Amino acid sequence: DSGVTQTPKHLITATGQRVTLRCSPRSGDLSVYWYQQSLDQGLQFLIQYYNGEERAKGNILERFSAQQFPDLHSELNLSSLELGDSALYFCASSRTGGLQPQHFGDGTRLSIL
Amino acid sequence: SQQGEEDPQALSIQEGENATMNCSYKTSINNLQWYRQNSGRGLVHLILIRSNEREKHSGRLRVTLDTSKKSSSLLITASRAADTASYFCATAQNRDDKIIFGKGTRLHILP
Repeated sequence: DSGVTQTPKHLITATGQRVTLRCSPRSGDLSVYWYQQSLDQGLQFLIQYYNGEERAKGNILERFSAQQFPDLHSELNLSSLELGDSALYFCASSRTGGLQPQHFGDGTRLSIL
Repeated sequence: SQQGEEDPQALSIQEGENATMNCSYKTSINNLQWYRQNSGRGLVHLILIRSNEREKHSGRLRVTLDTSKKSSSLLITASRAADTASYFCATAQNRDDKIIFGKGTRLHILP
């Protein structure tokens, strides 16, 4: 058990809809990372938050946004969903910065119909 | 673009044999990390090797790093069925605060 909790585990929705994925980091970790994993693109870094503030940005679409709350949990919001957004979305956390090992949740599997 | 590229993409070996996976990267790094992912699960951190280290061991895992060749290898000795998984290298650069994952090697241990 990594200590990182992601909800929901599975999400099925339709094109054009909006969803919110939630992540609770491991106790004591200040950094949260979001990744998208699909078969053809591998594991893509989306965005990182550190203690409530955005720290680094990767290949995150404008339709996607994230935030980290004062209690350090994070949410990833995906809007105007397209078929190509179907993927596994992972949250990871680390004690401080990005050079440290990351602890991953078991992901949210998003299926767009 | 991907920083780390694993080789081979897939590997099947008999239980008890050693498995070697390689990772090449493009720019200078602070450290290189290896992760394992079982099917449908999150990644699990295995080992971290810093840029000033050449070799590191953890149980049946041995990692080497050659910064002159910008490459690393992960050796799993005496493989077991439970080692069946995908293995990813990830590089941490000094210039920004994130690590970049490769596309992984799918390892299958045959009984």
